Parts: sequence; C-alpha cells; structure tokens
Amino acid sequence: QVQLVQSGDEVKAPGASVKVSCKTSGYPFTKNGVSWVRRAPGQGLEWVGWISTRSGNTKYTQRLQGRVTLTTDKSTSTAYMELRGLTSGDTAVYYCAKDVDYSFESWGQGTLVTVSS
Amino acid sequence: DVVLTQSPLSQSVTLGQPASISCRSSQSLVYSDGKTYLSWFQQRPGQSPRRLIYKVSNRDSGVPDKFSGGGSGTDFTLKISRVEAEDVGVYYCMQGTHWPLYTFGQGTKLEIK
Repeated sequence: QVQLVQSGDEVKAPGASVKVSCKTSGYPFTKNGVSWVRRAPGQGLEWVGWISTRSGNTKYTQRLQGRVTLTTDKSTSTAYMELRGLTSGDTAVYYCAKDVDYSFESWGQGTLVTVSS
Repeated sequence: DVVLTQSPLSQSVTLGQPASISCRSSQSLVYSDGKTYLSWFQQRPGQSPRRLIYKVSNRDSGVPDKFSGGGSGTDFTLKISRVEAEDVGVYYCMQGTHWPLYTFGQGTKLEIK
C-alpha cells in the first residue's frame, strides 16, 4: 500500500535551517508529485510547495519563497523540504502528501518542527 | 488569490444527527477541462489529514457513505448523515483548480454535543 514516512521531530534555534525527509513506497515515485503542507499551533492547514518527482520542477507559496527548497532523490524515492532562516512563526507540523490530480491522496505522519531559543 | 470561506467554523452535533459544512470560494473552481478540483479532508486529533472527497463528490476508498460532497461553481457542501464519536475533528475544504496555488479553507471543528 501507499506509504509516506517522514523523519523525526526537530528543535531548532531561530535563524537555523531544517531539512525534513519523506520516504515514499507502494507506488512508482515519479508518477506523482509531492506537496508539502504545514499546520501551525492553533491554525489551519497551509500549503508550502510542490515538486515534480519526474522533472524536479518546483512551485512555492509566495509567503515562503526564497526560504524553502524542495528536492527529491529518485534512487531512494524520497522527497525533502528544507526551510531556512527559521522564526517562531515556522513552528508547525509539516506534512508531505502524494499529489494526485490537483489533490492530496495520501499523507505522511507529520514532522513537528519547533523553533525555540 | 482564491479564498475559501468555511462555515460554520465550529459545530457541536448530537450523536446520530446530521452535520453540514459549507465552503464558498471567491472565484469559480471550474477548471478549463470542465472539472472542479474541490476536495474535503478530515483531521482527527493527533492524526494526519485524511482525504474524504475529491472533485466535489467522489468518495475515497474506505470512506463511509455517510460522508457526501456536493455543490458547483463557488458553493460546496460536505454532509455527514449521522455523526458518530469517531467523526470528531477538523474538516477542511481545499481547491486545486488554481494550481500551482493550492488553498485551504480555515477549517471547521466538529464536536459532539
């Protein structure tokens, strides 16, 4: 079955960077893109960005443009999200999702990123 | 940017009673291919989001038929015919029509009365 397994929770200092991984299985990795979504405490879901697993083409929300980079490793069917210049406003649970036909069919279990001094 | 407005933002429902959530878009969600890319997600406490409905009214595999989606253009609705304890959580609508900018509604918190 389709699975997306994310890396463990992270605690980072303000100004630092974080890189979260999302290992996929159960389907051909390059068949579907991967989107990333976050949920800050007490807030709703916010789309972060999308990557084509075939071409590496990326799209990002304007709010994070310049601070976020999505990449993939086809050899391990893994997607990555790196976020730089962390602030307390980036504290959130980050999810990867299998992007199918302009929707999110399956989700990872989530990675809590806490930004704290 | 497309804005999705959900109502109500919070709903308290008696077990066995129906529930309905509205999602209104600031722009039409009909894509150039004629399809409407409006999805609904459920997020139970402490869990990842789970998709319930895609393209307005298509139920995902394993989703009970008590969940139904409908609507067109800019107005959409998620209905739960009989609320059970396991339905507690936050429900979100999301549009993919205006990709590459995906947008979620603010979320509707469903509680048991």
